[in-house]
Amino acid sequence: DQQVKQNSPSLSVQEGRISILNCDYTNSMFDYFLWYKKYPAEGPTFLISISSIKDKNEDGRFTVFLNKSAKHLSLHIVPSQPGDSAVYFCAATYTMYSGGGADGLTFGKGTHLIIQP
Amino acid sequence: DAGVIQSPRHEVTEMGQEVTLRCKPISGHDYLFWYRQTMMRGLELLIYFNNNVPIDDSGMPEDRFSAKMPNASFSTLKIQPSEPRDSAVYFCASSLHIGSHEQYFGPGTRLTVT
Repeated sequence: DQQVKQNSPSLSVQEGRISILNCDYTNSMFDYFLWYKKYPAEGPTFLISISSIKDKNEDGRFTVFLNKSAKHLSLHIVPSQPGDSAVYFCAATYTMYSGGGADGLTFGKGTHLIIQP
Repeated sequence: DAGVIQSPRHEVTEMGQEVTLRCKPISGHDYLFWYRQTMMRGLELLIYFNNNVPIDDSGMPEDRFSAKMPNASFSTLKIQPSEPRDSAVYFCASSLHIGSHEQYFGPGTRLTVT
């Protein structure tokens, strides 16, 4: 059973417009969410993250929104640029130990974003 | 820093052969993760280590898979014997110390088992 779902396998957006990538999760224990970007023949690279104590995190052109009640997060890219064309993965994790700690990430299957000139 | 290093980048082998994938994490990172990416299942966690000790191997698909981390700068993922359904891209990732969730991925090893 998929705990992190990205229901859009692909998304096409015109250059300069806003790209919105969506992600849903089912596990209520997840308390930290990340977005990764992946180019062909490369490993995923970290883009932006958000803790469950926040509902928004911004970094330049990238903003992640978290709606805990709906178990939904989204990544907004504005303005979209040709270099943003890549596969975007949503990932989630939770803190196992009271002192915190890194744990394995549960990934969605990705959304292929295509920025049209 | 050179980032996470994986070798080989590509591996083609015949069914039944032993395959060993290698990973060098970023220096100073306490956590090391092995992931597998397939079309059907996407990116899935196989096993991870903290300070060279395996913490969670529940994602390892079968006993044919084993992973070791003999020291802080080296880990291996071994498949013996390999099967065609093991064909996938295998990623290694590392993460800093406690409280950090961002993981840094290597370029991956594309494994093809014929």
